[in-house]
Amino acid sequence: DSGVTQTPKHLITATGQRVTLRCSPRSGDLSVYWYQQSLDQGLQFLIQYYNGEERAKGNILERFSAQQFPDLHSELNLSSLELGDSALYFCASSGLQGTYTDTQYFGPGTRLTVL
Amino acid sequence: AQTVTQSQPEMSVQEAETVTLSCTYDTSENNYYLFWYKQPPSRQMILVIRQEAYKQQNATENRFSVNFQKAAKSFSLKISDSQLGDTAMYFCAFMKARGNSGNTPLVFGKGTRLSVIA
Repeated sequence: DSGVTQTPKHLITATGQRVTLRCSPRSGDLSVYWYQQSLDQGLQFLIQYYNGEERAKGNILERFSAQQFPDLHSELNLSSLELGDSALYFCASSGLQGTYTDTQYFGPGTRLTVL
Repeated sequence: AQTVTQSQPEMSVQEAETVTLSCTYDTSENNYYLFWYKQPPSRQMILVIRQEAYKQQNATENRFSVNFQKAAKSFSLKISDSQLGDTAMYFCAFMKARGNSGNTPLVFGKGTRLSVIA
């Protein structure tokens, strides 16, 4: 158990809908990362937050957005869903800067199926 | 931009034998970290081993060890005494070090599917 939790585990929805994926980082970790794993694109970085602020952006579509709340949990919002958004979405977290912080620990993922 | 290449899409090994998974990367950075993650059929991403680029000594974690060749930009993973539970997808990953500015995202290779055969 990595200490990172993600809900829900599975999500099935229809095209055009909007969903929210939730992530709780390991206790004390300030950085949260979102990754998308699809069959054809492999593991792709979407977005990073550090202590509530957006820190880096990757290949995230404009239909997707995220935020990190004061209690450090994060949510990834996916809207106007398309069939191609079906994937496994991972959240990872890492620790405070200046300490042993260089390792990202992954949650179990949310499997999104868009029908 | 950094890239990570895993040239072996699939590999198999007999139980108790040794296998080496290859990984090469391309970067102009001098300070970075390299990782191997394992993804078993459960799809959980599990950290196997990490290596700091500034360290010459190769990292080891029980049956897992790496051969880090910085000049060649090569980072292979050796699994000794392979076990059935080692059957998984293995991803090599690169992370740029940002010092006191915080961590950076991981860049992953496409993965190598390892099957351990009884």
